[in-house]
Amino acid sequence: SQTIHQWPATLVQPVGSPLSLECTVEGTSNPNLYWYRQAAGRGLQLLFYSVGIGQISSEVPQNLSASRPQDRQFILSSKKLLLSDSGFYLCAWTRGATNEKLFFGSGTQLSVL
Amino acid sequence: TQLLEQSPQFLSIQEGENLTVYCNSSSVFSSLQWYRQEPGEGPVLLVTVVTGGEVKKLKRLTFQFGDARKDSSLHITAAQPGDTGLYLCADTGTASKLTFGTGTRLQVTL
Repeated sequence: SQTIHQWPATLVQPVGSPLSLECTVEGTSNPNLYWYRQAAGRGLQLLFYSVGIGQISSEVPQNLSASRPQDRQFILSSKKLLLSDSGFYLCAWTRGATNEKLFFGSGTQLSVL
Repeated sequence: TQLLEQSPQFLSIQEGENLTVYCNSSSVFSSLQWYRQEPGEGPVLLVTVVTGGEVKKLKRLTFQFGDARKDSSLHITAAQPGDTGLYLCADTGTASKLTFGTGTRLQVTL
């Protein structure tokens, strides 16, 4: 069976510090991978998605970047965090077929102080 | 850019009541999915609807897809505390991207 791991679950970082959130998927190959951000109690905003190693599409201009160094690894990074980067970050994957459902990780609650 | 508006934004009801939440799109859905999210967790898929006018039932949950495929509703019968959560609609879209709605937060109390 497939599983998705996302860590850390909670992170408190000072403004201006770097960020690295990691997501890995097990039990499948060549998944589509996604990073979403969610404001408190609201919908999900797509930040980045990837259909293959080294292929990253950015949806929203911002202070963040993403990388996919391996087939089942997706990393969200920032060189210098802003207060506005605070939020709940979710990694997700699909097989990439039509109408496929998203499988989400358990999320990372990031607080930038 | 597609906009998915969900209403109401927040709903608090007592156990046993019925409720309906809505999802409206500014453009035709490719296909529509409904997810439920509990606090501190990722969303979990409830259903996918594809055809205009389609109705799907999942126990006490009934999902309807509008004939024009621009709107959808989720009806819950005899709500239970376990139904509490954030309900999100999403358009499966194209190019492997899902667009999510603004969400409806449901609270069911005893």
